Amino acid sequence: QVQLVQSASEVKKPGSSVKISCTTSGDTFRSFSLNWLRQAPGQGPEWMGDIVPIFHLANYAQRFQGRVSITADESTSTVYMELSSLTSEDTAVYFCARDYTVKAPYFQFWGQGTLVTVSS
Amino acid sequence: EIVLTQSPGTLSLSPGERVTLSCRASQSLHSGYLAWYQQKPGQAPRLLIYGASKRATGIPDRFSGSGSGTDFTLAISRLEPEDFAVYYCQQYDTPPWTFGQGTKVDMK
Repeated sequence: QVQLVQSASEVKKPGSSVKISCTTSGDTFRSFSLNWLRQAPGQGPEWMGDIVPIFHLANYAQRFQGRVSITADESTSTVYMELSSLTSEDTAVYFCARDYTVKAPYFQFWGQGTLVTVSS
Repeated sequence: EIVLTQSPGTLSLSPGERVTLSCRASQSLHSGYLAWYQQKPGQAPRLLIYGASKRATGIPDRFSGSGSGTDFTLAISRLEPEDFAVYYCQQYDTPPWTFGQGTKVDMK
């Protein structure tokens, strides 16, 4: 059973940053890319980027470049997504998700989601 | 980036009916690199189909996918009560991976 467990909901002020975690098993951490996606209310999911945890190799969607950082901690099999310069448009549920298999970026396994609310 | 346009926006149907959902890509997905998901309120999306036509593990055979190039279809042969949800397509041909805006299937 593949499990991805995310950190709790956050409320942030405009201009601040948020860092969300996603903890998984060692097997998943060592063998698969892990992705971050977000979903604003009433909209489809939006892919933000991914990381190959054992190589610390991250790729980002162009629209988030310079504002997002995805990192990995092998000691805890945890990946993190930090998003800076938050605005109200960043209010969304953020998900981590595992590639279906190696180099197959569609997503069968998802975390439970983390609600980030940006409000003054 | 590749834009996916889903139609219709909403379908109002009854259990037992057949439904077909459309997803059109702004450029050709050369290897049929398209997936379909189902999402219910408060839940993460559930993978139904990948590679345009391959069912994911545990997906009932009433769900089927077809298409190539820029035009793809998800069909549900007979709607069950648990199938009322929002459906999204996703392309993984060219990064960034993108999703359609969704089709809501609700009960008439």
